[in-house]
Parts: sequence; C-alpha cells; structure tokens
Amino acid sequence: ETGVTQTPRHLVMGMTNKKSLKCEQHLGHNAMYWYKQSAKKPLELMFVYNFKEQTENNSVPSRFSPECPNSSHLFLHLHTLQPEDSALYLCASSSNVGRSGELFFGEGSRLTVL
Amino acid sequence: GESVGLHLPTLSVQEGDNSIINCAYSNSASDYFIWYKQESGKGPQFIIDIRSNMDKRQGQRVTVLLNKTVKHLSLQIAATQPGDSAVYFCAEIRPYNNNDMRFGAGTRLTVKP
Repeated sequence: ETGVTQTPRHLVMGMTNKKSLKCEQHLGHNAMYWYKQSAKKPLELMFVYNFKEQTENNSVPSRFSPECPNSSHLFLHLHTLQPEDSALYLCASSSNVGRSGELFFGEGSRLTVL
Repeated sequence: GESVGLHLPTLSVQEGDNSIINCAYSNSASDYFIWYKQESGKGPQFIIDIRSNMDKRQGQRVTVLLNKTVKHLSLQIAATQPGDSAVYFCAEIRPYNNNDMRFGAGTRLTVKP
C-alpha cells in the first residue's frame, strides 16, 4: 500500500465513450501527477497539479481532461480516445513538486480503447 | 550480470548473484537521481536516491553509483532474490526546468532460481 489509490484498475472503452479515472492520496501531499506508461517506452508525464493548481500540461491532447478538486483527489476525464491511447495510466503524489524527490505511485488504471 | 540501460532492456541473473543495472542520463545539469522498482501489476516504488554531490549511496542490499563525468548511474543489488524480479527505472530531476523528472525506459530484471 503506497497511500495512493486508483480506480478503476481496468477499463475498456470504445472510441466514442466518455469515462473517468480517479486517484486519491491519503498522504497529505500537495502535488499530484498523471503519467502514461506504454509498452517499452519511458513513463510520460501528462499533468502536474500543485496545491490544486495545474502547473504542467505536457502537450497532452484535449481528449484527456484532468480535474483536481482538492489536494487529495485527481481525475482524468477521457473522451473520444484513440486505440493508441491504450496504456497504463499512473497517478502519483509528492509532498511538493520536484525537489522533494520521491513520487508515490498508485497501482495504475489499465485502459484499453477499442 | 550487467545491463546497458535502454539498449539492453532485459537482464537475467541467478539467485544469489549480484545484479548491476545501468542507466545513462542525458543532462549534466540534473542534480538528483532516483531508482524505482516496478513489479508486475503494480506502480513504481522508490528504492534509493542520490544527489549530485555524492558518488555512492548504500541502502539495504542496494547501492547506487553516480558518475557525473560520463553521466552514468548504476544500481547494484547484492545477493539477488526472486522477489527482486521487476522492471527498474532510473529518473533524473532537472532543476532548471521546474524540477522536471525524466524516466528511463527501464530494465527488466529476471532472477532464475
């Protein structure tokens, strides 16, 4: 248990569906992150939130829409995705952005787009 | 056994042997480095970190070595056990770019009984 919980663990959706991924951290951290993990590629940073404010959008297509209502919760809303968006989506948190170093990751949401 | 980071993404060792996983980082301005372990079906977990003012740091059965001259990082695992089988990632933090953390593609370590 890392203190970061992601739901659902697995999601299958069609290209016209709308779904959301949820992340919750119980660590009292101020920064939360979404990463995409595809086979044989490095972890790709998607979004960073610090004290609920988005501090980074790493050129992510608009079909991915993040939401951070408070420092403990992070959502990734999905709409009209493409098959190449199939991947493991990892949420992480840290006490602060960057300099604290250690990220605490959830176990990921495995997304399959048909 | 040794790996060469991105160019040799798998490493197979015998149980009880020492493992060495290598990582080449890209930017000389990076001043903080972390090794993560990712077991099947789980998210990455922190193993050990090192700052650029150090050459070596030891943990429990793990040692990280940093060679800033050639921008190389290695993770040594002593007496490798089956539970060490996982993918290992290095990450570098770039202070000049809002402390951007960049991950390597990872090396898959398989421990043979």
